[in-house]
Amino acid sequence: GAVVSQHPSRVICKSGTSVKIECRSLDFQATTMFWYRQFPKQSLMLMATSNEGSKATYEQGVEKDKFLINHASLTLSTLTVTSAHPEDSSFYICSAPGLAGGPTDTQYFGPGTRLTVL
Amino acid sequence: QKEVEQNSGPLSVPEGAIASLNCTYSDRGSQSFFWYRQYSGKSPELIMSIYSNGDKEDGRFTAQLNKASQYVSLLIRDSQPSDSATYLCAVRGGGFKTIFGAGTRLFVKA
Repeated sequence: GAVVSQHPSRVICKSGTSVKIECRSLDFQATTMFWYRQFPKQSLMLMATSNEGSKATYEQGVEKDKFLINHASLTLSTLTVTSAHPEDSSFYICSAPGLAGGPTDTQYFGPGTRLTVL
Repeated sequence: QKEVEQNSGPLSVPEGAIASLNCTYSDRGSQSFFWYRQYSGKSPELIMSIYSNGDKEDGRFTAQLNKASQYVSLLIRDSQPSDSATYLCAVRGGGFKTIFGAGTRLFVKA
């Protein structure tokens, strides 16, 4: 089946630094990718929709200048957490639809990236 | 605000019993419904998807959908300790945007 990878799987950084997380579709093309954030014992919250060749669409309450998304190719989307602070510590998960992106298409999740900001 | 509501649990059942997980959603335009299993520290994995009213069975899992009541459930028969995880209900509208519930923690006691 389709595979989505994320890198790194775990990152620890100092407050004020920026962290880049990569999301790749390994055996299929993804014009759309989704970025989620999950705090402990909470559900996945959609942060933004990444669109290849165009600007990302951010959910209400998500700062687009803090969470920079770049979907540079059909297989790669990156999320950069700029000037990270301890409250940004979370589990970041990306996903991609397998086909045309319709309501019944399978959504493939990456393994997630655990970000810890000291 | 589109919402997906689940009882956070924990739901504790003995090994071999039936575990029943429930979910309600607010958006009547929702078209696709999913149950994901998530182990601690891991990303979700798809268990079941259901798109029309009624029951859908896959092995030990049965998903039930009632669009009139805006209700979807998951039954796990012959529960095993390995089924212990958090189960996320997810709902999708006409596009591909998926809204997740907060999840129900299930413990299956050996």
